[in-house]
Amino acid sequence: GAGVSQSPRYKVAKRGQDVALRCDPISGHVSLFWYQQALGQGPEFLTYFQNEAQLDKSGLPSDRFFAERPEGSVSTLKIQRTQQEDSAVYLCASSPGQGARVNEKLFFGSGTQLSVL
Amino acid sequence: SQQGEEDPQALSIQEGENATMNCSYKTSINNLQWYRQNSGRGLVHLILIRSNEREKHSGRLRVTLDTSKKSSSLLITASRAADTASYFCATVPPGNTGKLIFGQGTTLQVKP
Repeated sequence: GAGVSQSPRYKVAKRGQDVALRCDPISGHVSLFWYQQALGQGPEFLTYFQNEAQLDKSGLPSDRFFAERPEGSVSTLKIQRTQQEDSAVYLCASSPGQGARVNEKLFFGSGTQLSVL
Repeated sequence: SQQGEEDPQALSIQEGENATMNCSYKTSINNLQWYRQNSGRGLVHLILIRSNEREKHSGRLRVTLDTSKKSSSLLITASRAADTASYFCATVPPGNTGKLIFGQGTTLQVKP
């Protein structure tokens, strides 16, 4: 378990279905981040946790998106009533830093590729 | 979106040549980072340069930062086929919200 692990690797959903994406960060990493990456684009910030506290959720596109990290380790990103525009790669990252160094070096998982049909 | 601009969008070179990619950003920053992404994989942190630094080296990588022009460049010297990937700059705006703002990336192809 050396790196950030995400599951599933691929997810196909019918429009209107709910999906849950899982992230296992590197053990001991305090900070956890979710990013959305559209094809051919750079990642866009969704939300950030420090331990179990969600400190910034300003990037979540709508109230259909919800993230949690109840015990300060594993995190789940849930998307309700999926739409075609939700199709993207969802990347999770963790870092050992907090405070001023919270995002100085992020360790990324390989992502979950979500396709909404 | 607050993404910065990177150029070129795509770059193709021969093994052994140097590759230079540029990044411009819009807001003041605490630091700027470069990441590499191989196809279908997550991003890997390469190097960080702070706002009070002008140049930094790490192995075959050289990064410069010009805060007056709000721009940075990444130079990869003596490129290898294994350097083929997309490269993204990411900025950390003041405020420590945890957010990284990524550019749109440069796709580098190194031909053997």
